[in-house]
Amino acid sequence: DTAVSQTPKYLVTQMGNDKSIKCEQNLGHDTMYWYKQDSKKFLKIMFSYNNKELIINETVPNRFSPKSPDKAHLNLHINSLELGDSAVYFCASSQDQLAGDEQYFGPGTRLTVT
Amino acid sequence: GESVGLHLPTLSVQEGDNSIINCAYSNSASDYFIWYKQESGKGPQFIIDIRSNMDKRQGQRVTVLLNKTVKHLSLQIAATQPGDSAVYFCAERVNYGQNFVFGPGTRLSVLP
Repeated sequence: DTAVSQTPKYLVTQMGNDKSIKCEQNLGHDTMYWYKQDSKKFLKIMFSYNNKELIINETVPNRFSPKSPDKAHLNLHINSLELGDSAVYFCASSQDQLAGDEQYFGPGTRLTVT
Repeated sequence: GESVGLHLPTLSVQEGDNSIINCAYSNSASDYFIWYKQESGKGPQFIIDIRSNMDKRQGQRVTVLLNKTVKHLSLQIAATQPGDSAVYFCAERVNYGQNFVFGPGTRLSVLP
């Protein structure tokens, strides 16, 4: 009965590889997000997405791409991984982006690029 | 007391005392603010929110104060407990829902 789930929890991979992180929410929410948290705990939004619009943070490299097969899923694909991509990635969802409802976060995926 | 340096700012309080965590936000047009609590190894968890047309909101043991004049947000935790130990983030919504910007976080350490 987990609200927002992510897989895998840990991901260790080499530079240059392509990887995906999956996210699913069972809350019936309309909007989903991806965040990156660096080693200093700084949280930065990467994408927000609902069934109408994808908002991309302009600082996110185009090696990162979100893919949403349906409203309950927002997966994160990363191409040509770099050392600087090592971080914890959080998926989140909210009922209505414009109404300002709280965001529910997943447990995070710790990505380590070697 | 509170310390700021190369590491995450840390606030240390005695169990049972009240805690006040402060946050300066950046955008005067931000219309909605949230406080999150992040425990070790977990994702951020909603604590309380406030809209820009309010200056105070109370929850269970927590109070958020908003001062739009100086763009300052604070979280007050009454009777701090060991379970309150975590990193606390403020977040502001900018551009009417297009983006959430998180503050740098404050680590709250509750001393026995």
